[in-house]
This record gives sequence, structure tokens and C-alpha cells, in this order.
Amino acid sequence: GAVVSQHPSRVICKSGTSVKIECRSLDFQATTMFWYRQFPKQSLMLMATSNEGSKATYEQGVEKDKFLINHASLTLSTLTVTSAHPEDSSFYICSATPPTLSGYTFGSGTRLTVV
Amino acid sequence: AQRVTQPEKLLSVFKGAPVELKCNYSYSGSPELFWYVQYSRQRLQLLLRHISRESIKGFTADLNKGETSFHLKKPFAQEEDSAMYYCALSGAEGGSQGNLIFGKGTKLSVKP
Repeated sequence: GAVVSQHPSRVICKSGTSVKIECRSLDFQATTMFWYRQFPKQSLMLMATSNEGSKATYEQGVEKDKFLINHASLTLSTLTVTSAHPEDSSFYICSATPPTLSGYTFGSGTRLTVV
Repeated sequence: AQRVTQPEKLLSVFKGAPVELKCNYSYSGSPELFWYVQYSRQRLQLLLRHISRESIKGFTADLNKGETSFHLKKPFAQEEDSAMYYCALSGAEGGSQGNLIFGKGTKLSVKP
């Protein structure tokens, strides 16, 4: 139980286009989900906290208009990278906390490559 | 400021040898500490948390508030332990409650 599914696992897009990444909690409801970004050989960095039914909370330095987060239901949060540029190429991971379990469950991540 | 430090980028040991992955943190309140592991090409998964004080896959970690450390230990390393290990802290200070702050990770390589 407590599975977080992330899709797609890998995406290549052209510079200037937008890409949507989905994060779903498959067997539990998540009022809060978290989006992380991992640069090569660096640690995971929290980008934003996605709150169901309300606006996301962004960490300092993260552009809200570039990384659009929508948490329309208790099982789905989406991250849209708008007008993507090569510097947006990275590994994006979402996570959520099942209410009955300890710790955080992570999605398998999405490798975004902007060419 | 809250911070997690993993001083070693790479730790290489031989099978059967003891292993200790270091983690130090900076946090003014009462943090919750975790260890996460990422095996090659797999998702990040929780290894253990200090509150539960359990041993997973032979690994243990004790929270030392005096030294602000949460080192991960295993008495006899196995080849399948080779992975990337992340120490993480969760706290409400200065950020969204419940979010995690990760160390940079330590790559453990267990040689046969």
C-alpha cells in the first residue's frame, strides 16, 4: 500500500514548450503533496508544497509562473513546467504522506530533458 | 537555519565490514530525522526514522541531540546495500510544515 505514481517517467521536449507531470496517490488521499527537484550530483531540493483545493506554497527562488502546480483532487497533483528551457532539465520527484504510515512516499520521478 | 550535512559523497567498504554513514543537522526545535535509500534506477524509499527506533535491513540510526547527529550504521555490510543514502530532516521552522530537507547524499559502495 501507500503508492505514489508519477507520470511520465521520462520526457524530452523542445525549448519553449510546456510539460505536465502528474503525481497520483493510488491508495490513499493526500491533502498535501510535495514537489522536489534534483540536479545532477546534487541533493533533492523542495520546490513547492501542493495543497488540495488551494494555492501551492513555493519555496524561495522558485518561479511560480514557470512551475505551475495544481492539486485539484485528493489523489492528484500536477506540475507544469511552462516555456521550458534547457536549464529546466532535471529530475523531478513528488512525495506524499499516507495518513496511516510513517515517513513519506515518493514517486519514481520524472527525468525532463529540454532540447 | 535548518540544514542537513552528509560529509561523505562516497563511502566504499568491503563486504562484511562495518559501515557508518554520517549525518549532522542544524535545527533549533525538535526535528524528525529520516534516512532514505535509492537503489540504482529505483525510487527513493524510506529506510528508517528516528521516532520508530527500528532496524531495517540491519541498519540502525540513533539520534544524538548533543552532537546533533543521526548517523546510519550497519555492523556487516552486504553488496546489496550499495545505493545512494539520503539523510533528511522534517520540521516546521521557516518553511512548510512536513516538508523534508535533504542532505546531499552519500553513495555507499560495498565491494565483494
